[in-house]
Amino acid sequence: QQQVKQSPQSLIVQKGGISIINCAYENTAFDYFPWYQQFPGKGPALLIAIRPDVSEKKEGRFTISFNKSAKQFSLHIMDSQPGDSATYFCAARTGGGNKLTFGTGTQLKVEL
Amino acid sequence: GAVVSQHPSWVICKSGTSVKIECRSLDFQATTMFWYRQFPKQSLMLMATSNEGSKATYEQGVEKDKFLINHASLTLSTLTVTSAHPEDSSFYICSAETGTSNTEAFFGQGTRLTVV
Repeated sequence: QQQVKQSPQSLIVQKGGISIINCAYENTAFDYFPWYQQFPGKGPALLIAIRPDVSEKKEGRFTISFNKSAKQFSLHIMDSQPGDSATYFCAARTGGGNKLTFGTGTQLKVEL
Repeated sequence: GAVVSQHPSWVICKSGTSVKIECRSLDFQATTMFWYRQFPKQSLMLMATSNEGSKATYEQGVEKDKFLINHASLTLSTLTVTSAHPEDSSFYICSAETGTSNTEAFFGQGTRLTVV
């Protein structure tokens, strides 16, 4: 059972453009929504995370938008750079521990 | 941020043999560690949760006798793939948390296992 749905599966963006990745969840008990960046052959690294009491969080070029009523959240990468080319995973966690449920991943390619 | 180190980064083993993967928290004590498996171009699937000094909790469909997990200390957890077969070839990733509530999960760099 896929509890966190992620789209698109792949994304090509021009350098300087905005990359947008969307996720939707079903379990209303989720209380923490992180985004991870993963390069080939490496483990995932935390990019940015949000809790449901906040509608938006920005850190540098990365912004999470959160819509609690729609049970959706998205990652926006502003001024996308070739170095941002990687696979991005959204995730969700219920309270009381770090058992994460991951989305299916989005392979981002930023072209010059 | 905290550092989680996995060893080895890659390993090739013969079918039928066992292989051990180590996951260490280098600068913090990890009361809980998680083991994931990731096939090419797919998401991370949680295999098991291990707490220091107790038996691991396996996710549904994961064979506990095949994937042995030991969390003997607050800085080390090991995953042993027993009687490995080619279908066990995958990318195995661990993560660790400190145990206080609402903390970040720190991931290791992963181990690429190839069974020939």
